[in-house]
Amino acid sequence: ETGVTQSPTHLIKTRGQQVTLRCSSQSGHNTVSWYQQALGQGPQFIFQYYREEENGRGNFPPRFSGLQFPNYSSELNVNALELDDSALYLCASSEGGSSGNTIYFGEGSWLTVV
Amino acid sequence: DQQVKQNSPSLSVQEGRISILNCDYTNSMFDYFLWYKKYPAEGPTFLISISSIKDKNEDGRFTVFLNKSAKHLSLHIVPSQPGDSAVYFCAASQGGSEKLVFGKGTKLTVNP
Repeated sequence: ETGVTQSPTHLIKTRGQQVTLRCSSQSGHNTVSWYQQALGQGPQFIFQYYREEENGRGNFPPRFSGLQFPNYSSELNVNALELDDSALYLCASSEGGSSGNTIYFGEGSWLTVV
Repeated sequence: DQQVKQNSPSLSVQEGRISILNCDYTNSMFDYFLWYKKYPAEGPTFLISISSIKDKNEDGRFTVFLNKSAKHLSLHIVPSQPGDSAVYFCAASQGGSEKLVFGKGTKLTVNP
């Protein structure tokens, strides 16, 4: 039990639609990161939020966007869904601010695009 | 261009023996390394980490070794238990960033 909760756990969307995934970080954690894990691959960094500001972005197009709220919970939004967006989306939280902090992951949201 | 590589997709060991999982990296700027374990339908669980200023870190049955000159790290599990059967991911970060770069994972099976 990491204290990081994600919703929904599973969902199916149609190509071209939009999706919003949600994450509640562990208490006391002000940094949230999102990762995409395709089948047979390791998680790929999408972006990170620190105190409500985007603080680093991986190699993902602008149709992947996010928000962090004052309570440090977060959303990942994906517009114009494509079949290749089918993956496990992982949220991770940490205390932030320095190297060496343990990063805790939620159980993920499985997205299938048909 | 994979910066973190786990070249063995799978590993099978007998219960009680040592499991050694390997990881190589190409980016010499990485200064913090982590190992995560993942069961099916669950998120990755943090196992152990090591800073580049060290060459070994131990936590119970788990030990991570870092060879900076070879850009190689390994995770040793002794003794291995059937409950250790999972996919193990190696991850790295640099310069205080919490952006993790993951390998593709190694599936460990510990046979009773």
